[in-house]
Amino acid sequence: DVKVTQSSRYLVKRTGEKVFLECVQDMDHENMFWYRQDPGLGLRLIYFSYDVKMKEKGDIPEGYSVSREKKERFSLILESASTNQTSMYLCASSFRGTLINEQFFGPGTRLTVL
Amino acid sequence: AQSVTQPDIHITVSEGASLELRCNYSYGATPYLFWYVQSPGQGLQLLLKYFSGDTLVQGIKGFEAEFKRSQSSFNLRKPSVHWSDAAEYFCAVGGDYKLSFGAGTTVTVRA
Repeated sequence: DVKVTQSSRYLVKRTGEKVFLECVQDMDHENMFWYRQDPGLGLRLIYFSYDVKMKEKGDIPEGYSVSREKKERFSLILESASTNQTSMYLCASSFRGTLINEQFFGPGTRLTVL
Repeated sequence: AQSVTQPDIHITVSEGASLELRCNYSYGATPYLFWYVQSPGQGLQLLLKYFSGDTLVQGIKGFEAEFKRSQSSFNLRKPSVHWSDAAEYFCAVGGDYKLSFGAGTTVTVRA
């Protein structure tokens, strides 16, 4: 089974702190994604990566950055956390291929910024 | 631009009754369509997907979905709901590596 793990299930941070969310997948997937999930808005794509050291902005990249130094690991960074970044963050991965392949999701990190 | 609309925010259904969740998409080319389910406290799990071929797609947990190009719809159905089907359901359309998700439909199952 594909496994996508996220470093924390729950995280509480202060405004202005630098926050790292880590995601690891064990299926050698080329693509990795970070989403945030908010009630009534569904999932919105923050960033994705289709290869090591490669990244593309998603629909809502402002206030976030990412890092992918190894194929299996994709990190989301909040340089200076703000209260409006309180949300559920979901990581996903997929094969690249020629089709739009299904994405496999981690359990999520619920981040609260106080 | 691709987008998905799930018109129903919340649906309540009795155990054993049928369920239908609506999904309308907007996409310029042949769409890749997915339904995911998220149980409380869990990540998203794929129920089924449509790329091409037969427009009626069977998935896991007894779910099926029908692709109707003329209506730009991909509705999800289950003939008889179980209490464990209480969850949030997301429809998604794929293109250019990315998936665009709808806002989700929360399903409550009453005994």
